Amino acid sequence: AQSVTQLDSQVPVFEEAPVELRCNYSSSVSVYLFWYVQYPNQGLQLLLKYLSGSTLVKGINGFEAEFNKSQTSFHLRKPSVHISDTAEYFCAVSDRPGGFKTIFGAGTRLFVKA
Amino acid sequence: ETGVTQSPTHLIKTRGQQVTLRCSSQSGHNTVSWYQQALGQGPQFIFQYYREEENGRGNFPPRFSGLQFPNYSSELNVNALELDDSALYLCASSFAGGDTEAFFGQGTRLTVV
Repeated sequence: AQSVTQLDSQVPVFEEAPVELRCNYSSSVSVYLFWYVQYPNQGLQLLLKYLSGSTLVKGINGFEAEFNKSQTSFHLRKPSVHISDTAEYFCAVSDRPGGFKTIFGAGTRLFVKA
Repeated sequence: ETGVTQSPTHLIKTRGQQVTLRCSSQSGHNTVSWYQQALGQGPQFIFQYYREEENGRGNFPPRFSGLQFPNYSSELNVNALELDDSALYLCASSFAGGDTEAFFGQGTRLTVV
């Protein structure tokens, strides 16, 4: 069975500082990994995805993530955050690339302070 | 903004009632998945529909059921509503067989009182 653990429920950070949101997964099959962002009262928007190939994945809004198979991690990073990055971030895993039966973590609330 | 639309946006129902939520897929997508997101939690997979048939189900009871229509739009039906069914219900459409992502709608906020 697959599972996702987001290690921090909340991450406060000052504007223009770097941030890392941590995600660990477990899976007995090939994995496809995703990071989604959810703004208040909205659905989910895909930030980036790892399907295969390079372990460093670049996404939208300046975010990137690194797939580490040995540590079963897929941490999300941004070198300099903005107030507008304040949102809920979800790490997710699936055994198929098209989002079938995607398993989500509990989420990390990123709060960017001025 | 994705091409996935959900209706209604908000809904209040009484315990024991039945509810139907609707989802219109993004153009070109043939698969619809439904998720339940309780307050403060991540989304949980309910089920997926492909070619008008259920194609996988999460850990939800049979009173959660669905339909997919020939135009790939979908409905989620919940019978005998319970207070714990209060949540944001998200629909996601994708194209089976491809490596494209699933696109999510903005969700329907269901409150059971």
